[in-house]
Amino acid sequence: AQKITQTQPGMFVQEKEAVTLDCTYDTSDPSYGLFWYKQPSSGEMIFLIYQGSYDQQNATEGRYSLNFQKARKSANLVISASQLGDSAMYFCAMREKRNNDMRFGAGTRLTVKP
Amino acid sequence: GAGVSQSPSNKVTEKGKDVELRCDPISGHTALYWYRQSLGQGLEFLIYFQGNSAPDKSGLPSDRFSAERTGGSVSTLTIQRTQQEDSAVYLCASSFVAVRNEQYFGPGTRLTVT
Repeated sequence: AQKITQTQPGMFVQEKEAVTLDCTYDTSDPSYGLFWYKQPSSGEMIFLIYQGSYDQQNATEGRYSLNFQKARKSANLVISASQLGDSAMYFCAMREKRNNDMRFGAGTRLTVKP
Repeated sequence: GAGVSQSPSNKVTEKGKDVELRCDPISGHTALYWYRQSLGQGLEFLIYFQGNSAPDKSGLPSDRFSAERTGGSVSTLTIQRTQQEDSAVYLCASSFVAVRNEQYFGPGTRLTVT
């Protein structure tokens, strides 16, 4: 069964504006972690941000923040002040404590317009 | 320190031949993951190792695919009797075993089956 859902195949944002990339997940494990990765056209996978299921506050890392709504099982990535270099594929992922494997969503292709 | 390495970086093979893909994880990482990524698509989970054992083989597409890990380090993914639909980038990642630990990805092996 699909555990991670990213409903936006593609998104466009104007340079310097903020953008939200959606991610919902499904799990019955009370202990899990949520991750966002960026994959530029070069193909490398770059870790951006992590949110634990027991974390009380939303995670932030520079221009990246994670809007964690546990009851809704959503973990949206917010990128503030978009830059041209933010154009890439973005993947949401989840790791459950009980089995430790890591599953990824289908990804969202973000294009930042000048 | 060295990151995750994969070899070969590119492999072109004829349909029906067997191929072996290798992954060298980061030293000390007990968890190792294999994913497959078709052009412009998301990451398809293949298999996960914890140490030398694979608690989750559910992602292997068919019995032509197998993987092993020895000494808690190097892993090989073997595809027998390759088919054209096996063409993809095969990504390996490693991490420490804990919910909050992010994965570190290798550069991938681009497999082309002609």
